[in-house]
Amino acid sequence: DAKTTQPNSMESNEEEPVHLPCNHSTISGTDYIHWYRQLPSQGPEYVIHGLTSNVNNRMASLAIAEDRKSSTLILHRATLRDAAVYYCILRALGGSEKLVFGKGTKLTVNP
Amino acid sequence: NAGVTQTPKFRILKIGQSMTLQCTQDMNHNYMYWYRQDPGMGLKLIYYSVGAGITDKGEVPNGYNVSRSTTEDFPLRLELAAPSQTSVYFCASSVQGRETQYFGPGTRLLVL
Repeated sequence: DAKTTQPNSMESNEEEPVHLPCNHSTISGTDYIHWYRQLPSQGPEYVIHGLTSNVNNRMASLAIAEDRKSSTLILHRATLRDAAVYYCILRALGGSEKLVFGKGTKLTVNP
Repeated sequence: NAGVTQTPKFRILKIGQSMTLQCTQDMNHNYMYWYRQDPGMGLKLIYYSVGAGITDKGEVPNGYNVSRSTTEDFPLRLELAAPSQTSVYFCASSVQGRETQYFGPGTRLLVL
């Protein structure tokens, strides 16, 4: 599985947008970019995923660079409930079933 | 739907004891997984199953066993508990192997 690089931690203020970066310079053409998050003392939960085009859902937006070597998870208005560890994960189409978790980015949201 | 449920929530074991961590899902998912998460780290896959009667090893299977007799249940067995197995254990399920995984709330295990 190709590797991803994320900052260890980020801070944001409540009701402000948050941009969580992820670098994946060795991404292959069939790798999907997935984001999961883990709230304190809970299991991970799916946030969003994409291949090439930007994606939006009710939780977040995913902006993918044109060369696909980086992506950004965007929370449009952070709330205190968004404080979590965010994981950027590559999954190959036709590849392994497992999710490979790195250490992720710990997001702190200040009131 | 309850989703993925795990029992117990917390357990303390003595070295050498055995126990079974229970995992049940009510979403009729074919795939089920067991992960462990050590403090400050990401999750690592222990075992997974692609359907009843079929299991396979993940990254860190040593010291664990699994079985999958039904679609709903995927228990994880620790035969001889060791301090290195102190961790939080998460069960997950998905419709197919490369679809979204849904996680349970976790079981915190302390081996002393």
